[in-house]
Amino acid sequence: GENVEQHPSTLSVQEGDSAVIKCTYSDSASNYFPWYKQELGKGPQLIIDIRSNVGEKKDQRIAVTLNKTAKHFSLHITETQPEDSAVYFCAASIQGAQKLVFGQGTRLTINP
Amino acid sequence: GAVVSQHPSRVICKSGTSVKIECRSLDFQATTMFWYRQFPKQSLMLMATSNEGSKATYEQGVEKDKFLINHASLTLSTLTVTSAHPEDSSFYICSARFSRPYNEQFFGPGTRLTVL
Repeated sequence: GENVEQHPSTLSVQEGDSAVIKCTYSDSASNYFPWYKQELGKGPQLIIDIRSNVGEKKDQRIAVTLNKTAKHFSLHITETQPEDSAVYFCAASIQGAQKLVFGQGTRLTINP
Repeated sequence: GAVVSQHPSRVICKSGTSVKIECRSLDFQATTMFWYRQFPKQSLMLMATSNEGSKATYEQGVEKDKFLINHASLTLSTLTVTSAHPEDSSFYICSARFSRPYNEQFFGPGTRLTVL
């Protein structure tokens, strides 16, 4: 089955700098890759997603890139702000399959 | 749009009692809902997949008789933890999926269960 590896497990950056979180997946049939942000004591919030027919997608300060050949995708956050501090999860899914397979999570801390 | 609610947000119960958690999709019809369990500082662990009008599909290792799931309508799924024990204490989160080719899932706010 699908396996998703996420790195790093923790990331600390200065406010205003950029943060990058990387994920690799094992099943080449996967074609949907969402990213979730989870704040303490809350449920995950979908922040951006990308499908396999696209190499990059951007939404304001957040971008996701996908390399299908290498089977990895990354989340990029620019001009980080204190409210970006949270745990971020990547996930992968195969079209037609119902389940998402999640990475282990990255705890992002933005230092003022 | 795409709002999912859970109730209650927090529950404390005595060992041996049963607890019901509700998950509702407020502004869309969800043919599929999912139930996850999350331990502190860990990732989401899928417990079961719930399709409206049919029996839930449980992940390996999840006790069907302990975690009863009902998906009676396109907007409501319930998880009942039966005969709860302290080891069942956890953060339970539901998600709902649009009826689309891609697997967009929207999560509820979670329910913190503490069994004394």
